[in-house]
Amino acid sequence: NAGVTQTPKFRILKIGQSMTLQCTQDMNHNYMYWYRQDPGMGLKLIYYSVGAGITDKGEVPNGYNVSRSTTEDFPLRLELAAPSQTSVYFCASSRGEATEAFFGQGTRLTVV
Amino acid sequence: RKEVEQDPGPFNVPEGATVAFNCTYSNSASQSFFWYRQDCRKEPKLLMSVYSSGNEDGRFTAQLNRASQYISLLIRDSKLSDSATYLCVSRGAGGGNKLTFGTGTQLKVEL
Repeated sequence: NAGVTQTPKFRILKIGQSMTLQCTQDMNHNYMYWYRQDPGMGLKLIYYSVGAGITDKGEVPNGYNVSRSTTEDFPLRLELAAPSQTSVYFCASSRGEATEAFFGQGTRLTVV
Repeated sequence: RKEVEQDPGPFNVPEGATVAFNCTYSNSASQSFFWYRQDCRKEPKLLMSVYSSGNEDGRFTAQLNRASQYISLLIRDSKLSDSATYLCVSRGAGGGNKLTFGTGTQLKVEL
């Protein structure tokens, strides 16, 4: 009954460091998404994937990379972390078109 | 213009009140719509889908007006536990059918 699992839950990075945010889902969903949410703001789409091996940019992709080698996993890579990347990151998945998305619990990232 | 627009609130209402949230969307090709609820420092969770014919789930009623590109959520008999941020969401056609979120409307239900 895990749904969408994100790790880590919290992380502090120094400017210029890199890290990977992990996301895995056990619902066999084709669609997966990465969003970021800044304080008092809506969720903004970073990258999305419609299936294994297929990824595409969302609204705010700069500074991030993704891969989708399996249906279950959709990691988000931050290269050269910047203070502007301080945010809460949510991974989500959905079965397909016109269906609801299920979210992970989020990763709170602070870049100092 | 934002693709999905909501009044940010906050809406402060007494317990038992009826409160309505409105949302407009700019992409006429949007295919489906949802209301999500987000508690402080938590992930968004689906509250209900929104259908053209309108739909009700207990104290919650959602309406969609495609001609006006307008979505609403009505909460009757508000409970303290309804305090949260309510996110209006549209799903577009193509491009991974991505979800576009409004910035949310904050509701505070008070004694």
